[in-house]
Amino acid sequence: SQQGEEDPQALSIQEGENATMNCSYKTSINNLQWYRQNSGRGLVHLILIRSNEREKHSGRLRVTLDTSKKSSSLLITASRAADTASYFCATFYNQGGKLIFGQGTELSVKP
Amino acid sequence: EAQVTQNPRYLITVTGKKLTVTCSQNMNHEYMSWYRQDPGLGLRQIYYSMNVEVTDKGDVPEGYKVSRKEKRNFPLILESPSPNQTSLYFCASRPTRQGRGTDTQYFGPGTRLTVL
Repeated sequence: SQQGEEDPQALSIQEGENATMNCSYKTSINNLQWYRQNSGRGLVHLILIRSNEREKHSGRLRVTLDTSKKSSSLLITASRAADTASYFCATFYNQGGKLIFGQGTELSVKP
Repeated sequence: EAQVTQNPRYLITVTGKKLTVTCSQNMNHEYMSWYRQDPGLGLRQIYYSMNVEVTDKGDVPEGYKVSRKEKRNFPLILESPSPNQTSLYFCASRPTRQGRGTDTQYFGPGTRLTVL
C-alpha cells in the first residue's frame, strides 16, 4: 500500500505564482524527500527533510514537516514554466530498505 | 559523470519471452532498487538490494527476479512477461549509511516496456 498520499493531484497556475503541494504519510519516518519528474523521465531529488526538522529551504523551494500530523508540504515560490513537472514525496521505512512514493502532484505552470 | 544507466530504454516484447533489463551505476553505491510506474498508481518498488548478494522484495515483486552479484549492476529479470507488466521501469541507487544517512536516490532514465 502507498505510504504517501499527495494533494492536489493536479495544479495549474500562472508563472510568478506560488505552488503548494501536500503529502501525508502513515508510519513514523526518519526523513521525507521530495522528487521531481519531467514527463516520462527519471526522478530528480529536490530536497530532504529529517524528522527532527520542521522547515527547510533550498532556493525557491520550501519544505515543511509536521510529524504530529504526518504531513509535509512543498512550496515553490515565483514559479516558472520550467517548473512544470510531477512532484512526488517519498519516505523510507523498514530500516531504510523500502521507499514508498506518494502518487504525485502534476504541476502545470503557464507562461 | 556520475550516473545510473538502464538498457534498453524501450522494449516491445511478447508474452512469455524472457527478458532482462540491465541497470548499472558508477557511484560505488551500496543500495540499488527497481520501481515501476503506472498511471494512477505512482511509483511502486519491485525489489531492492542493500548490498552485494543481498536482495529484498518491495511492494510488487511478483513476476520479477533480480540479482546483485557485483556492486555496480542490478539487473531486473522477467522470466515470463505478461501484459500486466507493461510499464515504465526505473532503477535507482544511493549510498547506504548506518542510521539515517542521506537517503538521496539517483534514478536512471527509465525503460519503457510493452508486453503484447
